[in-house]
Amino acid sequence: QVQLQESGPGLVKPSETLSLTCSVSGYSISNGYYWGWIRQASGKGLEWIAIIYHSGTTYYNPSLKSRVTMSVDTSNNQFSLNVTSVTAADTAVYYCARSRYNYGPFDPWGQGALVTVSS
Amino acid sequence: DFQMTQSPSSLSASVGDRVTFTCRTSQSISNYLNWYQQKPGKAPKLLIYSASSLQSGVPSRFSGSGSGTDFTLTISSLQREDFATYYCQQSYRTPYSFGQGTKLEI
Repeated sequence: QVQLQESGPGLVKPSETLSLTCSVSGYSISNGYYWGWIRQASGKGLEWIAIIYHSGTTYYNPSLKSRVTMSVDTSNNQFSLNVTSVTAADTAVYYCARSRYNYGPFDPWGQGALVTVSS
Repeated sequence: DFQMTQSPSSLSASVGDRVTFTCRTSQSISNYLNWYQQKPGKAPKLLIYSASSLQSGVPSRFSGSGSGTDFTLTISSLQREDFATYYCQQSYRTPYSFGQGTKLEI
């Protein structure tokens, strides 16, 4: 059974870089599939951030593209998200998730990691 | 980007009721439409993919339909555990945007 777990600092200062890692168990990322990040501000809806294929091909949300980078680390079976120049608007619960194919739904999801941007 | 509009934004219902949620997209997405259920403090859970395919393990009281720009999610007989927020998502073209959600309340 595939499981995903987000990890990273819970507090980031404005203008700094938010870095999160998603560790995958029960499946080897090098075997394929797409891996993504989604976030949700408190009391708000879901925002799609980006997805990456195991080969490294990435697709970013244009609203965040200039600040977002995803990468995959097959040796450690994890993938990462970096968001630069953060502001309070980047405060949210960040979820990682898997999609079995491009154009596919996300399933399963990690439990989510709350990241607060504050000085 | 594709705009996703869900209606209603909230809905009150009772156990045993049949309820229908609607999701409309700004452009045709064929059947690349997914539905998720989210409970407070939890990650979303996939219910329906490709507009009408029931995800494994999801009760058969959930069903989806639609194609093009108009889609529906129906719960045939509400159970207490179904009270949650429901989101649609298009996976036709990146960014794979979500609707704003429909909150189902008792």
